[in-house]
Amino acid sequence: DAGVIQSPRHEVTEMGQEVTLRCKPISGHNSLFWYRQTMMRGLELLIYFNNNVPIDDSGMPEDRFSAKMPNASFSTLKIQPSEPRDSAVYFCASRARDRNTGELFFGEGSRLTVL
Amino acid sequence: KQEVTQIPAALSVPEGENLVLNCSFTDSAIYNLQWFRQDPGKGLTSLLLIQSSQREQTSGRLNASLDKSSGRSTLYIAASQPGDSATYLCAVDGANSKLTFGKGITLSVRP
Repeated sequence: DAGVIQSPRHEVTEMGQEVTLRCKPISGHNSLFWYRQTMMRGLELLIYFNNNVPIDDSGMPEDRFSAKMPNASFSTLKIQPSEPRDSAVYFCASRARDRNTGELFFGEGSRLTVL
Repeated sequence: KQEVTQIPAALSVPEGENLVLNCSFTDSAIYNLQWFRQDPGKGLTSLLLIQSSQREQTSGRLNASLDKSSGRSTLYIAASQPGDSATYLCAVDGANSKLTFGKGITLSVRP
């Protein structure tokens, strides 16, 4: 299996632009998580899905952030409009059905820089 | 609200030393606890997962223990090597399916 695949790996954009980050979870995994990592705050959970349904989006910082999972093999995290404080590494992770035994697998991350 | 603490933030040891990394959490109602490794510029790699009913898990030179009642977990690394240099994070899976992460311990193993 190729693991969790994220794109793009790096994104540099200007303030006010729309940013779309993409994630393909591991086949067969039914839970998908979006995290944001910064030096100051560490890893923060933004939103997670079970069976393509958003379960908890309380970590989404503002209405500028939105996430979708149209099917079991694809998810997007969108920021519109982007701001410099959104600069961070965004990780997608997936897990199999049984949370008691299911390890969390992370993608390589998307490093976002907003100028 | 679950809080996960890892102290110290950084650790430097000579090669060959046995070492213990600590993780503490505030809410003992957990499903499991995972230890991860993160290399610079990379994603997180799962090392060990301990279910709430277990006391420890072992993988090679790594051994992780869990004491739910005291809200603590330790990751023991035997005979450390320079290749073990990385950031080690623990994450607690709580009742709400949210994994809460510590900020990690950056380990440097000197040759």
